[in-house]
Amino acid sequence: EVQLVQSGAEVRKPGQSLKISCQGSGYKFSNYWIDWVRQLPGQGLEWMGAIYPGDSDTRYSPSFEGQVTFAADESISTAYVQWRSLKDSDTAIYYCARRTSTVTTDKTHFDPWGQGTLVTVSS
Amino acid sequence: DIQMTQSPSSLSASVGDRVTITCRASQSISTYLNWYQQKSGKAPKVLIFGASTLQSGVPSRFSGSGSGTEFTLTISSLQPDDFATYFCQQSYNTPRTFGPGTKLEIK
Repeated sequence: EVQLVQSGAEVRKPGQSLKISCQGSGYKFSNYWIDWVRQLPGQGLEWMGAIYPGDSDTRYSPSFEGQVTFAADESISTAYVQWRSLKDSDTAIYYCARRTSTVTTDKTHFDPWGQGTLVTVSS
Repeated sequence: DIQMTQSPSSLSASVGDRVTITCRASQSISTYLNWYQQKSGKAPKVLIFGASTLQSGVPSRFSGSGSGTEFTLTISSLQPDDFATYFCQQSYNTPRTFGPGTKLEIK
């Protein structure tokens, strides 16, 4: 079974750093983009960007460029998103998802998704 | 960036109803359009990709259509398990963007 399992909920104060993880299993982790999606409390979905674990190529949404850093460790099939200095406004659920396509098309979608990591930033 | 809009933003319907949700893109995206269902407290899951291809394991009462800038998700006969929020998402280019969601509630 293809699966993404994310690290547990975190609570931090503004200005603190944080790294959360997403571990894949059931497939060759290095061959698929991992995308990150933010969901603010009670709100919709925002694409943050993506990383290709095979060569650590990254893409950032302009809204998140400079605010977060993506990383991946192929040896343990794990992707990360890191913050150097959290803000209250970073309080959200963060999802990772595998970018998937079929063999007959270049159209991609997100499947599966991790269960989400709730990040709470509060003084 | 490609802006995605959805209508309606919320919808009350009864079990057995036929429901249609519309998604529009700010520019043509061919059929690079996906639909996701999100239940409260859970991660989204893909229902339809490439505008009209049903994801394996998704009930056949779900269908998608459209191309260019206008797309629809149809549920032919609502079941109790279908009450959730539905998002469209374009995969035409980067940054990927989602619609604001349509919350489907029980009447």
